[in-house]
Order: sequence, then structure tokens, then C-alpha cells
Amino acid sequence: DTEVTQTPKHLVMGMTNKKSLKCEQHMGHRAMYWYKQKAKKPPELMFVYSYEKLSINESVPSRFSPECPNSSLLNLHLHALQPEDSALYLCASSLGLAGAPFFGPGTRLTVL
Amino acid sequence: AQSVTQLDSQVPVFEEAPVELRCNYSSSVSVYLFWYVQYPNQGLQLLLKYLSGSTLVKGINGFEAEFNKSQTSFHLRKPSVHISDTAEYFCAVRPDSNYQLIWGAGTKLIIKP
Repeated sequence: DTEVTQTPKHLVMGMTNKKSLKCEQHMGHRAMYWYKQKAKKPPELMFVYSYEKLSINESVPSRFSPECPNSSLLNLHLHALQPEDSALYLCASSLGLAGAPFFGPGTRLTVL
Repeated sequence: AQSVTQLDSQVPVFEEAPVELRCNYSSSVSVYLFWYVQYPNQGLQLLLKYLSGSTLVKGINGFEAEFNKSQTSFHLRKPSVHISDTAEYFCAVRPDSNYQLIWGAGTKLIIKP
């Protein structure tokens, strides 16, 4: 298995909703990432987990809450989002923090 | 501080013609270099990377890039493009002293039939 999977592919939510994005990889990678990508822009790093511990938090608002239940899974819990949070959310993983990230297909999030 | 500049926001080219997408970086430390491709409505896919060794790096889909330390460049080339190469291409660098990727703004490759 050489891919990163993400669910759902699309998500529409209201500003009062709570939802979660899920990411899974079975490549034995020990670093996992959440990125946010706005249209026609490069991805922006949000969080990095290394060996299931939060390694980097790029000053992301608390309405985004990451979770790494085990070495293969990464979740992003969403609560009270704003319309400007609408974006493509990409999960990635790498062998270690020094490796090149492999990206999943992303979740297209729309906040109404 | 490190930065990455992709000089062209869009590059139109005819099918079967060669293409070069330019990437320059600035850094006071050694860097590792990457090119990613993003097809419409998809995630990013690693095309190739330079970590060390030969400065000419071959990647997937017939792409290659050359690391030029004196010019601080890592331009991406393909000798003959196809319609399927239509995508956004991102150059990224990772400083030796840091684990985070620094991204260029991206170049949209437009293939004209």
C-alpha cells in the first residue's frame, strides 16, 4: 500500500457544526502532516506529528484540533469554523521528518 | 531566511514541444530541493527530489531537473510535453537546518493542442 487516503472527499458544513477529517497511511511512515491549500496557492503547513506526538503547530486557531490515534491515522477535528476556512485540506506522510511528504488527494471543505 | 521564487505564474507551450519551469531559491544554509505536481482537483504528487550526489535528477513522467548551486536554481525540464501534463507545478526547498518545506508560488503549465 503506497498511498495516503483521506475521507471525506468533499464536506460542506455550517459555522456551528462539528466535523472531522480523516487520513490514513500504511507505508510505515512516522511523520504525518496537515496542510491547508487555498485556490491557486501553495499548501500551508498546519500541524506535524512525529511518532504520534505533535511536533509542529503553526499557530493554527483552536477551532482546528488535530489528533493522531496511532501511527497510521491522523484526524483533524473542526468546530465553529468561519467561511474563510473553506479550502482544500491535505494530509501527507513521510518516513521521518527529513523525508519528502507523500500527499493524499485532499478534502474539499466549504464552510457556509 | 529562506525563500523560493518561481519566476513564471503560467507557461503556455504547444503539445510535443520542450518546456522549462524555473525555480530559484535563496538560503544561507544547504538545502534539499523538490518538485511537486498538482493535477486539477487532486493532491500533490512528488515529481523528483535532489538530496545529494549528481546534480541532474530524473523524475517520473519524463521530467528532470538540474541543481545549480552557483545560480541557486533547480529548473524543471521535459523534452516533449503532452496534454496530460497540464497541471500546477510547485518547487519547494527544505533547509538542512529545518524540517519544514518552503514553497514557491507555483507555475501553471498550459498545453496548447
